[in-house]
Amino acid sequence: AQTVTQSQPEMSVQEAETVTLSCTYDTSENNYYLFWYKQPPSRQMILVIRQEAYKQQNATENRFSVNFQKAAKSFSLKISDSQLGDTAMYFCAFTSGTYKYIFGTGTRLKVLA
Amino acid sequence: NAGVTQTPKFRVLKTGQSMTLLCAQDMNHEYMYWYRQDPGMGLRLIHYSVGEGTTAKGEVPDGYNVSRLKKQNFLLGLESAAPSQTSVYFCASSYSGSDTEAFFGQGTRLTVV
Repeated sequence: AQTVTQSQPEMSVQEAETVTLSCTYDTSENNYYLFWYKQPPSRQMILVIRQEAYKQQNATENRFSVNFQKAAKSFSLKISDSQLGDTAMYFCAFTSGTYKYIFGTGTRLKVLA
Repeated sequence: NAGVTQTPKFRVLKTGQSMTLLCAQDMNHEYMYWYRQDPGMGLRLIHYSVGEGTTAKGEVPDGYNVSRLKKQNFLLGLESAAPSQTSVYFCASSYSGSDTEAFFGQGTRLTVV
């Protein structure tokens, strides 16, 4: 079975600082996709960033970037210049042709003023 | 654009009662999903559908049934609610099952007493 592991249940960061959230996964598939979703207190799930496994280049979206290490099966999210609005639960997710959107247990991030 | 709409947003049931959660999407997506979110456990897939008239079991299907009679709607039924089904339920949809993001509804908080 495919698994997604987020080993940091909670984290905090000072406003304007940088923070990295960890995610590891286990799969025997070669073609798959990885996502980070943000869930603010409103409960709405919002896509932050996605990464295709066949691409070596790490994805970036403004202040958000990933460090994708395929051999290590690691997919961490870096948030630069943290803002108060980044306070949320963050979920890492895996999907492939065989397995449908498997989520990790989440990391609760708090940005401190 | 409405995107993915779930009704109701909140519900309290007594043990043994039945109910149906409705999910509607207006993006012409083929794939639809039902997840439950519990503290410390992330999102777990209950059932999913790869197209109109199809359904398949996910990770935690027991106690739930689903139907996809129309492409835009995906219904989740609880025939005899149990306290263990107290959770936040999310519906999601995606254009394909593996390489595109999933779009989520706003969630339904269900309490079974």
